[in-house]
Amino acid sequence: AQRVTQPEKLLSVFKGAPVELKCNYSYSGSPELFWYVQYSRQRLQLLLRHISRESIKGFTADLNKGETSFHLKKPFAQEEDSAMYYCALRWSGGYNKLIFGAGTRLAVHP
Amino acid sequence: NAGVTQTPKFQVLKTGQSMTLQCAQDMNHNSMYWYRQDPGMGLRLIYYSASEGTTDKGEVPNGYNVSRLNKREFSLRLESAAPSQTSVYFCASSEDPGSSGYTFGSGTRLTVV
Repeated sequence: AQRVTQPEKLLSVFKGAPVELKCNYSYSGSPELFWYVQYSRQRLQLLLRHISRESIKGFTADLNKGETSFHLKKPFAQEEDSAMYYCALRWSGGYNKLIFGAGTRLAVHP
Repeated sequence: NAGVTQTPKFQVLKTGQSMTLQCAQDMNHNSMYWYRQDPGMGLRLIYYSASEGTTDKGEVPNGYNVSRLNKREFSLRLESAAPSQTSVYFCASSEDPGSSGYTFGSGTRLTVV
């Protein structure tokens, strides 16, 4: 069965520290993965998609098929990065449905 | 462009009451979705509509019904609200097929007492 696991509910770091938000998935097909972010009192918005291999707001994420992971990384955290982060797997067999992980709250302290 | 618009933003219901959550998108997207967001559980798919005139159950459809009124609108109905349905509800839309991801609405915070 398709599943997305984000093992950390809360990640707390100081400003300037590196950040890694973990995401593991289980899927028998060819995975397509996304990171969504939800800032306080705002709607969810797309941050990254693995096929684009882009860097947004200093964040990057690499798909590791061997480890079935799609961890989100940033070398130097900023206070404005504090938000809820969701990893999502697109299930190609189901009309573009996304399966979300439980989310990780990132708190960046000054 | 408004994107995805949800109404209402907040609602309190008594157990057993019914209500409809409205969602409309102006991006000419084919697919629309309803999710609920609960602490520690992330977003779970309630129902989705791959195209106008079609709807399908998601992961947690019990207690809900949906209507894809036209290409723009996708409503979610609670026929007899229960405290377990207290949640934040998000509507989303996407082009399909494609890998552009979803566009989300701002959410409806529903409390059932």
